[in-house]
Amino acid sequence: DAKTTQPPSMDCAEGRAANLPCNHSTISGNEYVYWYRQIHSQGPQYIIHGLKNNETNEMASLIITEDRKSSTLILPHATLRDTAVYYCIVNDYKLSFGAGTTVTVRA
Amino acid sequence: KAGVTQTPRYLIKTRGQQVTLSCSPISGHRSVSWYQQTPGQGLQFLFEYFSETQRNKGNFPGRFSGRQFSNSRSEMNVSTLELGDSALYLCASSLGSALQETQYFGPGTRLLVL
Repeated sequence: DAKTTQPPSMDCAEGRAANLPCNHSTISGNEYVYWYRQIHSQGPQYIIHGLKNNETNEMASLIITEDRKSSTLILPHATLRDTAVYYCIVNDYKLSFGAGTTVTVRA
Repeated sequence: KAGVTQTPRYLIKTRGQQVTLSCSPISGHRSVSWYQQTPGQGLQFLFEYFSETQRNKGNFPGRFSGRQFSNSRSEMNVSTLELGDSALYLCASSLGSALQETQYFGPGTRLLVL
C-alpha cells in the first residue's frame, strides 16, 4: 500500500518551475523518499531521493520538511518532455507506487 | 554503463500457457526486483532477488515465480496464464539491497494473454 498522497494532476507552463507536493505523514525515521517518473508505457525513471536534507541533481530539487511528513519535487525549468506521471514513494525495500501526479507541461 | 535490459519486449500468449521473462541488471548490480503494472492496479511489487536468493515477496499467487543466476541476471516465470496476467512487467536493479539502494528500471515486457 502506498504510504504517500499526491494530487492527481497538475499543469505547468513550459519554462516555468513545476512544484510537485507529496505527503508522507507515516514515514519512519530511516525511510527514504524517492521520486520517479513514468512517460507513457516506459519503465519508471529515477529522479532523486532524500532522507532529511534537501537534495539537488541535474534533473530536479527535493525539499523535505523538517518533520519529514511532506516533500516537494521541483523541476526548475519544465519542458514538454517533462510531461509524465510523477511518483513520490517511501522506500521500504519495495517501491509502493500510488497513482502519482500526472504533470502536463504546456507550450 | 548499459541500463537494465529486458527480453522479450512484447509477448502474446494464450490462457493456460506459461511464460518466462528475462532481466539483465546494470553491470555490478546484485539485486533485481520485479513489478507488475496494470491500468487497474497500478505498479505492484512481485519479488526481489539478491545474490541468487529471494529476499522479499509481494502478494501474488504461486503461479508467479522467479530466480536469479550467479551473474545476477534474473528470470520470472508465470505458469497457467490467465487473462488478468496481461500487464507490463518491469524489473529494476540496484547495487545492493533494494531497501538501501536506488532501483533503476528496465523498459519492461508487455505481455498480452488471449
